[in-house]
Amino acid sequence: EVQLLESGGGLVQPGGSLRLSCAASGFTFSSSAMSWVRQAPGKGLEWVSVISNGAGSTYYADSVKGRFTISRDNSKNTLYLQMNTLRVEDTAVYYCAKNRGSGTYSPLDYWGQGTLVTVSS
Amino acid sequence: EIVLTQSPGTLSLSPGERATLSCRASQSVSSSYLAWYQQKPGQVPRLLIYGASSRATGIPDRFSGSGSGTDFTLTISRLEPEDFAVYYCQQYGSSSLTFGGGTKVEIK
Repeated sequence: EVQLLESGGGLVQPGGSLRLSCAASGFTFSSSAMSWVRQAPGKGLEWVSVISNGAGSTYYADSVKGRFTISRDNSKNTLYLQMNTLRVEDTAVYYCAKNRGSGTYSPLDYWGQGTLVTVSS
Repeated sequence: EIVLTQSPGTLSLSPGERATLSCRASQSVSSSYLAWYQQKPGQVPRLLIYGASSRATGIPDRFSGSGSGTDFTLTISRLEPEDFAVYYCQQYGSSSLTFGGGTKVEIK
């Protein structure tokens, strides 16, 4: 059974940093691209970032480019999202999601339960 | 960045009726790399359709997807009570993946 367990969310002040983690199990992690998607309270889904299976390709939404960094450790079956210079508008539930393929051009077939990030003073 | 516009914003229908949801892209979606997701309140999104028309594992055949280029459609042939939810389209054919704003299918 595929399981994705996010952690690292919490309350942070504007301008602060957080690192989210996503522990994966139940599939061959090193064979799948992985993504982060967020959802602000009461709003729709917003794609944040994607990383290919071997970390050779990474892409970001314009809203987070230059502030967020996606990475992965295939030896630990773990995905990360380093978030710097956080803004109030980054407040959202952040979902880790497994891509259906090894490349970044693939849909998201499994999702974690999400971790809430609140940016507020 | 490809912008996806979903319509209508809300669809009010009764169980047993047919639902037709639209997703229009601001430019052509490469290789029909278009997916549909369902999200129920308090739950995580679930992949329904990928490649514009392929059903994901375990998805009932009352869900079908069609379209190419810039115009895509999700059809639910006969609404079941568990189908009332928000539906999102997503394109994954460019380096900047994007979601549509969603269509809420509510009970009339």
